[in-house]
Amino acid sequence: GAVVSQHPSRVICKSGTSVKIECRSLDFQATTMFWYRQFPKQSLMLMATSNEGSKATYEQGVEKDKFLINHASLTLSTLTVTSAHPEDSSFYICSARVQNTNYGYTFGSGTRLTVV
Amino acid sequence: GQSLEQPSEVTAVEGAIVQINCTYQTSGFYGLSWYQQHDGGAPTFLSYNALDGLEETGRFSSFLSRSDSYGYLLLQELQMKDSASYFCAVAGAGSYQLTFGKGTKLSVIP
Repeated sequence: GAVVSQHPSRVICKSGTSVKIECRSLDFQATTMFWYRQFPKQSLMLMATSNEGSKATYEQGVEKDKFLINHASLTLSTLTVTSAHPEDSSFYICSARVQNTNYGYTFGSGTRLTVV
Repeated sequence: GQSLEQPSEVTAVEGAIVQINCTYQTSGFYGLSWYQQHDGGAPTFLSYNALDGLEETGRFSSFLSRSDSYGYLLLQELQMKDSASYFCAVAGAGSYQLTFGKGTKLSVIP
């Protein structure tokens, strides 16, 4: 149980275009989703926390107008990278906390974004 | 703020035991977690300690000492498939956000 499905797994886009990444909780309700970015050989860096029905909370240094997060339902959160540039190329991963467990964070499978 | 320190790389022989240490500084503490990540994959949960002591899950064990702000992950009977990056992570007070260490790349050699 507690599966988060993330799509797409890989995407290549042209510089200046936008890319949407979706994360769905399949068998539980995710009131909170976390979005991370991971550059090669580095750790996961939290970008933002999205709460269902309210605005996302962005970490310092993350441009909210560039990384649009929508969490319109208890099972779906989306991250849109707007006007993507090569420096946005990274591995993006969503995560949700599973209710009633202290440690139950489940991760999506990640999206490898390459901007050319 | 929160910060975690762990070794960047560890190499061990197949069948052996390896310990990956993690020290942390947090403004609040809701437990220390360990995650495994293979190249190109997403992190998968391994273990969690909220209280002092040892937690055992199969070949993997995790230890926590809250007074020392220290924990470790112990991997026994190493297999080649255990070659991966291992991250310690903490969630702080008032938040469920996980903060990850920089990760330890484990290489298991024959």
